[in-house]
Amino acid sequence: DAKTTQPTSMDCAEGRAANLPCNHSTISGNEYVYWYRQIHSQGPQYIIHGLKNNETNEMASLIITEDRKSSTLILPHATLRDTAVYYCIVNFNPTGNQFYFGTGTSLTVIP
Amino acid sequence: GAVVSQHPSRVICKSGTSVKIECRSLDFQATTMFWYRQFPKQSLMLMATSNEGSKATYEQGVEKDKFLINHASLTLSTLTVTSAHPEDSSFYICSAPGQGRLSGNTIYFGEGSWLTVV
Repeated sequence: DAKTTQPTSMDCAEGRAANLPCNHSTISGNEYVYWYRQIHSQGPQYIIHGLKNNETNEMASLIITEDRKSSTLILPHATLRDTAVYYCIVNFNPTGNQFYFGTGTSLTVIP
Repeated sequence: GAVVSQHPSRVICKSGTSVKIECRSLDFQATTMFWYRQFPKQSLMLMATSNEGSKATYEQGVEKDKFLINHASLTLSTLTVTSAHPEDSSFYICSAPGQGRLSGNTIYFGEGSWLTVV
């Protein structure tokens, strides 16, 4: 079962930062936080993941609170192509472990 | 480029027939692959874990005799929907943990396969 809760939907103006929150209050010490997104009719796309420290890559930044009970995915300059459903998932190192998806957040980037 | 590839991307079959969907890992070996099903406007639901050289592990409520999974090699898993019915129409997605030159901490997903049973 999914261990995360996310808002159902969010809007963001094009060019502005999109901040997507995720609660994972039951996360255990060695579970990672992963973010994926799914554009309509496509497979999920990996965005970023982290354990304790904040992470940044070419797509996004991941901010994890000190108690690790919540995190925020930041898309620094949202474009129309960022419109998608964003999934926050917590899991151990995935080799041999399954990902259980919650309902995700449907992000709409508005021109 | 895609690191996990599915085929076919779309398939239409008649009710009562069987249809096979392939999932391949490109440039890396996958001893484990995962199969998901997604209905319109819903999230992905894990169906089963495909294990190379052994039986698949099915999630509760998923009929193993209806959704046959074969993981015959380190780069290929297949899902066969047997005696398909219209309610089996869905988007089927596979995934595999990245290994080798890819991050060992990331699961990669295929492009998905749309199944329509008429």
